[in-house]
Amino acid sequence: QSVLTQPPSVSGAPGQRVTISCTGSSSNIETTYNVHWYQQLPGTAPKLLIYGNSNRPSGVPDRFSGSKSGTSASLAITGLQAEDEADYYCQSYDSSLSGVVFGGGTKLTVL
Amino acid sequence: EVQLVQSGAEVKKPGESLKISCKGSGYNFTNYWIGWVRQMPGKGLEWMGIIYPGDSDTRYSPSFQGQVTISADKSISAAYLQWSSLKASDTAMYYCARHVSPITVAAPWGQGTLVTVSS
Repeated sequence: QSVLTQPPSVSGAPGQRVTISCTGSSSNIETTYNVHWYQQLPGTAPKLLIYGNSNRPSGVPDRFSGSKSGTSASLAITGLQAEDEADYYCQSYDSSLSGVVFGGGTKLTVL
Repeated sequence: EVQLVQSGAEVKKPGESLKISCKGSGYNFTNYWIGWVRQMPGKGLEWMGIIYPGDSDTRYSPSFQGQVTISADKSISAAYLQWSSLKASDTAMYYCARHVSPITVAAPWGQGTLVTVSS
């Protein structure tokens, strides 16, 4: 059971918009700790997609955006493309556990 | 270019010991933390622990405390993850990743080391 809760799967047709939620608690997301998102394509290492709740590293398309409010964060992907099919993970820090915490991961299927 | 390169895949028997490595390049290795993450087959990411090579300050996830040892050799820009007695349940992909501090984002990541433990 992960400290951060994500839906196991989401899906959408090419061109559509999907969102992936990440729900935490008062010891992680609700505090000043940031939320980060990673994309893991099949058979590869995770890659940073969003850092500091809503910032995109250089090279990440602006189709990807992040937000945080209260005990939850969200990753939105607009203009879905086939190459977006991957697993997505949120990550934060938990003050009760004194360590990094991940969500359980969400598998995105592009129909 | 900042890069983390991990050692190659390992096949071991239960009870054997193992030490895998993560070598950093393109930045001052002693000024950043290195974290380790486990991914069991078909499962999600689990944070194992983190080390600051500058002074070897090490923190472990409660789930992995006592099960593994994290170390670093700053003279060769390498971090290590070590087992003294492997179990079949240690079969997984292991990733290292760079952090500015224990509470910050992990980037970049190493390519991963697959550890297979089987009799």
